[in-house]
Amino acid sequence: GESVGLHLPTLSVQEGDNSIINCAYSNSASDYFIWYKQESGKGPQFIIDIRSNMDKRQGQRVTVLLNKTVKHLSLQIAATQPGDSAVYFCAEKGSGSGYALNFGKGTSLLVTP
Amino acid sequence: ETGVTQSPTHLIKTRGQQVTLRCSSQSGHNTVSWYQQALGQGPQFIFQYYREEENGRGNFPPRFSGLQFPNYSSELNVNALELDDSALYLCASSLDRSVNTEAFFGQGTRLTVV
Repeated sequence: GESVGLHLPTLSVQEGDNSIINCAYSNSASDYFIWYKQESGKGPQFIIDIRSNMDKRQGQRVTVLLNKTVKHLSLQIAATQPGDSAVYFCAEKGSGSGYALNFGKGTSLLVTP
Repeated sequence: ETGVTQSPTHLIKTRGQQVTLRCSSQSGHNTVSWYQQALGQGPQFIFQYYREEENGRGNFPPRFSGLQFPNYSSELNVNALELDDSALYLCASSLDRSVNTEAFFGQGTRLTVV
């Protein structure tokens, strides 16, 4: 089936630096994209979303960029903090059965002091 | 906190047994989806319920079944448990079933099959 994947399984950054987490998707019919943060022992937590008619969306310290031409999504975290350490998943809707979220495998972000 | 609660938080079952997991959706949400997350993997869609009807199903065998109640809470039932069913089971509720609707996840139920 269609897939959503991440380029890097792990990312280590220093506190205060900016982080960029990348994601590729294969289904051009995807309509809606979401970034989730998952801390150990917890469920995924919504960070930011973007619809296919947009190419950029900003939140508090986070920015999501969508490039539909190359089917690429990125999450930028400004001034990364130790509390940002977690696994980050991109997910998409618009493909698959029902209105399921199709998740990638995740990128582990480690923020060092 | 998302307002989505799951019970129990942890569970150990023996191969061949049956298990029921429960989810209370966020107030006002009529759509509940269930996901299975194996260790080190992303969540995999099991099925979705909208207004007490199954609205879509992922690639899971029939021994995975569900229910949604009039108050929109939901159950996930798994029969004839296998060792590979060991995973974190996540419930997500949404305001409705449309594509562009945010899903809020619960903390999950950690199921271990021995």
